[in-house]
Amino acid sequence: SQKIEQNSEALNIQEGKTATLTCNYTNYSPAYLQWYRQDPGRGPVFLLLIRENEKEKRKERLKVTFDTTLKQSLFHITASQPADSATYLCALHGSSNTGKLIFGQGTTLQVKP
Amino acid sequence: DTAVSQTPKYLVTQMGNDKSIKCEQNLGHDTMYWYKQDSKKFLKIMFSYNNKELIINETVPNRFSPKSPDKAHLNLHINSLELGDSAVYFCASSPSGEDGSPLHFGNGTRLTVT
Repeated sequence: SQKIEQNSEALNIQEGKTATLTCNYTNYSPAYLQWYRQDPGRGPVFLLLIRENEKEKRKERLKVTFDTTLKQSLFHITASQPADSATYLCALHGSSNTGKLIFGQGTTLQVKP
Repeated sequence: DTAVSQTPKYLVTQMGNDKSIKCEQNLGHDTMYWYKQDSKKFLKIMFSYNNKELIINETVPNRFSPKSPDKAHLNLHINSLELGDSAVYFCASSPSGEDGSPLHFGNGTRLTVT
């Protein structure tokens, strides 16, 4: 069955360092992959989208890679700040699942000052 | 100026009751969704409507019935509530139902069934 895995353990890093979060998937051929940020008590907020024919996408301090051979996406936050502390969710579109996003369980990032 | 708003934010009720959650979006989007987030934080799609028409209906018990009076509103009615229905329910919208269309979420309704 289709599966999306994110590291369920919290990631703790020091302010100023680069945070790297991983999203792995199996039995899946996603056409798109999205990353969202979720703060406690709030809904997820869209950050970035990357297509299957793109290797890398950047937005300010954020960078996403998409390796369809490894079936993996990496999400990087450079020069991390305490305000980046949140849960980050990856979500995949199947190539035949119109409008249907499948979410991973998210990884909580804690950036310490 | 909230884009996707849902009410109520908290809902505490007893088993067997019937309750509704309302959702409205002012983004002019064609597609709206209901997602359920369980205690392990997994977000699972329940329903999707495109211009008031049901397009996604996951294996959700018949006790859950979505209603879309117009494309800016998607309400969720739950009959005969059970303990296992306790979760956070998120409404979302997107410009279209096509792949790659980012979702805009509301801030959730935390449902607690006692």
